Amino acid sequence: EVQLLESGGGLVQPGGSLRLTCAASGFIFNTYALTWVRQAPGRGLEWVSAISASGGDTFYAGSVQGRFIISRDNSRNMVFLHLDSLVAEDSAVYYCARVRITFIDPDALDIWGQGTMVTVSS
Amino acid sequence: DIQMTQSPSTLSASVGDRVTITCRASQSISDWLAWYQQKPGRAPKLLIYKASNSQTGVPSRFSGSGSGTEFTLTISSLQPDDFATYYCQQYNTYSRTFGQGTKVEI
Repeated sequence: EVQLLESGGGLVQPGGSLRLTCAASGFIFNTYALTWVRQAPGRGLEWVSAISASGGDTFYAGSVQGRFIISRDNSRNMVFLHLDSLVAEDSAVYYCARVRITFIDPDALDIWGQGTMVTVSS
Repeated sequence: DIQMTQSPSTLSASVGDRVTITCRASQSISDWLAWYQQKPGRAPKLLIYKASNSQTGVPSRFSGSGSGTEFTLTISSLQPDDFATYYCQQYNTYSRTFGQGTKVEI
């Protein structure tokens, strides 16, 4: 079964850091680009970041540019999102999602994880 | 960044109704548009890609159309399982953006 499983969320103080992990299974991991999408409580979806299949290209939303870093380890079928200089507005459920077509990005997102909650509060 | 605007924000409908949701882009995105369905506490689910192509397993009552800056998602006959929030997303550029969502309620 094709699956994405996020972990690493939790409560962090303003200005703090966190690393989210997305573990993939059921597909050839190193042929797909992956993205992170977040959703603040009661709000809509916001695209955060994307990484190409090889990991050589990365992209960020303006709201997180310079504070978040996306990376991947194709030997372990994992993608990571390092969150730094966190503020209350970063509080959200963070979803990992797969880009639909191999080696193509951007495209629609066909597989989503269940999400991991990040709360930024003192 | 390309802005995506959905209308309406909330839609009240009944089982069996034909429902149409509109998504407008602030500039042309060709047909690089997807539609997602999200239920409370759940991850989004891909319904439509490239404006009018149905994802595998999506019921035929869901259809998408449009190109350029104006797009629609149509549910031909609303079913109880369809009460949810729907989002459009453009992927014409690497800075892909979502619409604000349309909640379909009873």
